[in-house]
Amino acid sequence: AQTVTQSQPEMSVQEAETVTLSCTYDTSESNYYLFWYKQPPSRQMILVIRQEAYKQQNATENRFSVNFQKAAKSFSLKISDSQLGDTAMYFCAFNNAGNMLTFGGGTRLMVKP
Amino acid sequence: GAGVSQTPSNKVTEKGKYVELRCDPISGHTALYWYRQSLGQGPEFLIYFQGTGAADDSGLPNDRFFAVRPEGSVSTLKIQRTERGDSAVYLCASSPLGSGGANVLTFGAGSRLTVL
Repeated sequence: AQTVTQSQPEMSVQEAETVTLSCTYDTSESNYYLFWYKQPPSRQMILVIRQEAYKQQNATENRFSVNFQKAAKSFSLKISDSQLGDTAMYFCAFNNAGNMLTFGGGTRLMVKP
Repeated sequence: GAGVSQTPSNKVTEKGKYVELRCDPISGHTALYWYRQSLGQGPEFLIYFQGTGAADDSGLPNDRFFAVRPEGSVSTLKIQRTERGDSAVYLCASSPLGSGGANVLTFGAGSRLTVL
């Protein structure tokens, strides 16, 4: 079974600064997908960024980028130029090309003005 | 519809009662998923539908939980003899394709169930 671990229950960052959220996972699969989802107080999970394990290049979406270290099974999220609207829960998730996403326990991010 | 719609948004019930939670996926999405999110935790997989059939129900915790999708669109999650431990946010998601890790799931806002 796959497991996803987010070791930072809470993080805070000043507006306009950069923050990195950590995620590690455990799998014996070689082909899989990794995701970061944002969950604001509205509860709706919103996809932030996606990485395919067979791609060595780190995914980037505007202010969001990942550092994917396959050998270390690490998948961190970097948020640049943090904005107040980035305040939310962030979940790392794993899919082994099957039916389900396995989520980590989440990191609560607070962006301070 | 424009997004995944879940009703009710909030449901309060008493221990032992029966509840139904509804999910209306994005039109044309063949895959539908139910997840349960307990307070302070990440979502946990419950069940996956491909069309009308439950392709994977390995996440359902026990036989008090059941889900249907009779016409391949709207799905209903049914919980019998509710217990206080069933209190959680129940999230529904849909995707245009079937199984496969590349699928991007679109989530609804969830139904918060509180069992007193």
